[in-house]
Amino acid sequence: EAGVVQSPRYKIIEKKQPVAFWCNPISGHNTLYWYLQNLGQGPELLIRYENEEAVDDSQLPKDRFSAERLKGVDSTLKIQPAELGDSAVYLCASSLGNLAGEETQYFGPGTRLLVL
Amino acid sequence: AQSVTQLGSHVSVSEGALVLLRCNYSSSVPPYLFWYVQYPNQGLQLLLKYTSAATLVKGINGFEAEFKKSETSFHLTKPSAHMSDAAEYFCAVSRTGGFKTIFGAGTRLFVKA
Repeated sequence: EAGVVQSPRYKIIEKKQPVAFWCNPISGHNTLYWYLQNLGQGPELLIRYENEEAVDDSQLPKDRFSAERLKGVDSTLKIQPAELGDSAVYLCASSLGNLAGEETQYFGPGTRLLVL
Repeated sequence: AQSVTQLGSHVSVSEGALVLLRCNYSSSVPPYLFWYVQYPNQGLQLLLKYTSAATLVKGINGFEAEFKKSETSFHLTKPSAHMSDAAEYFCAVSRTGGFKTIFGAGTRLFVKA
């Protein structure tokens, strides 16, 4: 079974440029998460999808960040414009979506973003 | 609100020695607790989880953790460290009916030969 796929793995951009990250979850997983992981920190939730619906985006900085999961499968996270402080690892995770808080989340390898 | 505190950002042990990684949680409702491991340039993967069944939880790679409600702790242990255990370990908490998982800051485990 294929795991969570993310691309690109690394991205270097200049500040004020746009950037997009793509995630393909495990087949059959209804719940998809985007996390931000700063250096030396644990993942912090940006947004959670149940199928195509964003059910928790309270931590997403909506002035510059946007996300979509149009068909309830793969998802894109966008930053426009990027700022120096956005340099971090962006993790995507998925889960079945039927066990609520006790669900195991399956993580992709992340996209490491460097904003210069 | 829920929170997780991992004591020690770095832990170093010798190969064959006991591994003990500490995690304390705060939760106003019965929690679910998790330990995830992250190897370099990889995503997190589940080691084990507590979901209100047995308080002593056994996971992969010889790890186990014990849920102690009175101490609000969920420490991770392994009797004998192996070089391949070197990684970053994250404790996490969530709750019944909720999907939001709160992760600790992580503990990096170093294993000396």
